[in-house]
Amino acid sequence: DAGVTQSPTHLIKTRGQQVTLRCSPKSGHDTVSWYQQALGQGPQFIFQYYEEEERQRGNFPDRFSGHQFPNYSSELNVNALLLGDSALYLCASSLAFETSVGETQYFGPGTRLLVL
Amino acid sequence: DAKTTQPNSMESNEEEPVHLPCNHSTISGTDYIHWYRQLPSQGPEYVIHGLTSNVNNRMASLAIAEDRKSSTLILHRATLRDAAVYYCILRDLTGANSKLTFGKGITLSVRP
Repeated sequence: DAGVTQSPTHLIKTRGQQVTLRCSPKSGHDTVSWYQQALGQGPQFIFQYYEEEERQRGNFPDRFSGHQFPNYSSELNVNALLLGDSALYLCASSLAFETSVGETQYFGPGTRLLVL
Repeated sequence: DAKTTQPNSMESNEEEPVHLPCNHSTISGTDYIHWYRQLPSQGPEYVIHGLTSNVNNRMASLAIAEDRKSSTLILHRATLRDAAVYYCILRDLTGANSKLTFGKGITLSVRP
């Protein structure tokens, strides 16, 4: 059973460019969350998708947007890249119906983005 | 989300027990206590969670204070593979709030 997968593993972009990161959730999971992790910090919540809609959003500008597809996979898009967007971007999947009993989120290995 | 406070770092010897503390004095009645860990160059992974009672699983034990204002993650026999950043997280699971709010965590080093 494949866990959460993310692509690409590494990416280098320049300021002002746009980037798309991809995530496939763990088999059977229907909810995808995205996190940004700067060097030496804990992950910060960006947003969460369920039933192809953004359900919850963290304190990130609207340059950060996302999408969830009918097969539950998801994309994270970042426009007008800034140097400060350099970070590890993590995708986590979970089951929505378990939310009320403390469901586990399963994380992928992340995409390392470097903005020059 | 209620905040947690953890020491920055801790060292342990291999094959000895490790007690990782976490303070959460503003915890509410609907907050679950979750622990995740992040091994080097990997995404975080779930360790354990609890509400009021102590919990055990194959990875660790979670001891929760009677007033729930603190908890301790217990690794019974540390191995080199347990060297990681451990995050103590409170999750309010009422309504649709299921995001994880990470702090800086505690970095555990394990000496051979």
